[in-house]
Amino acid sequence: AQSVTQPDIHITVSEGASLELRCNYSYGATPYLFWYVQSPGQGLQLLLKYFSGDTLVQGIKGFEAEFKRSQSSFNLRKPSVHWSDAAEYFCAVAPTGGGNKLTFGTGTQLKVEL
Amino acid sequence: GAVVSQHPSRVICKSGTSVKIECRSLDFQATTMFWYRQFPKQSLMLMATSNEGSKATYEQGVEKDKFLINHASLTLSTLTVTSAHPEDSSFYICSARESRLATGEQYFGPGTRLTVT
Repeated sequence: AQSVTQPDIHITVSEGASLELRCNYSYGATPYLFWYVQSPGQGLQLLLKYFSGDTLVQGIKGFEAEFKRSQSSFNLRKPSVHWSDAAEYFCAVAPTGGGNKLTFGTGTQLKVEL
Repeated sequence: GAVVSQHPSRVICKSGTSVKIECRSLDFQATTMFWYRQFPKQSLMLMATSNEGSKATYEQGVEKDKFLINHASLTLSTLTVTSAHPEDSSFYICSARESRLATGEQYFGPGTRLTVT
């Protein structure tokens, strides 16, 4: 069964500092990979996705993520964090072939200090 | 594009009553919709997969008679919580997969906060 691990439950960074949120997955093959962001009391917004090809993917709001097959990782990064980035971030995987269920990590709560 | 709406955004009901939550894809067709439940400060737990024109597929441990799902059209799925109890209080989120995409990408609704008193 596929699983997703987000090792950091909480992360606090200063505004303007760089950010990296970790995500590791367990799956027999390379799955589809996603990062979502959730603001309090809201649904999820897709930040970026990886299906194939270039392992460095660019997303919205200045986020990027790098797929590393050897490490089964898909870490999310942002060079300079803004206060509005404070939210919950979820990494998710889906089996290739589409139409299948997403498996979510437990999430990382990001706090941004001004 | 790819907007999913949910209605209502918040609902308070009394124990023993039923509540219906609607999930609509506004600008695309969705043969598959998903219903999730999220407890405070926790991740999303998939409850069921809803396919247009067929019965929903429920995850293990989810009571199909309690959480009734109907996906009558390509843009609408409903979740009815029957005989609700306080332990059903939660944040319910739906998502929709665009029919023409083969990549499994899902778009999420804003969620419905259910409180059972």
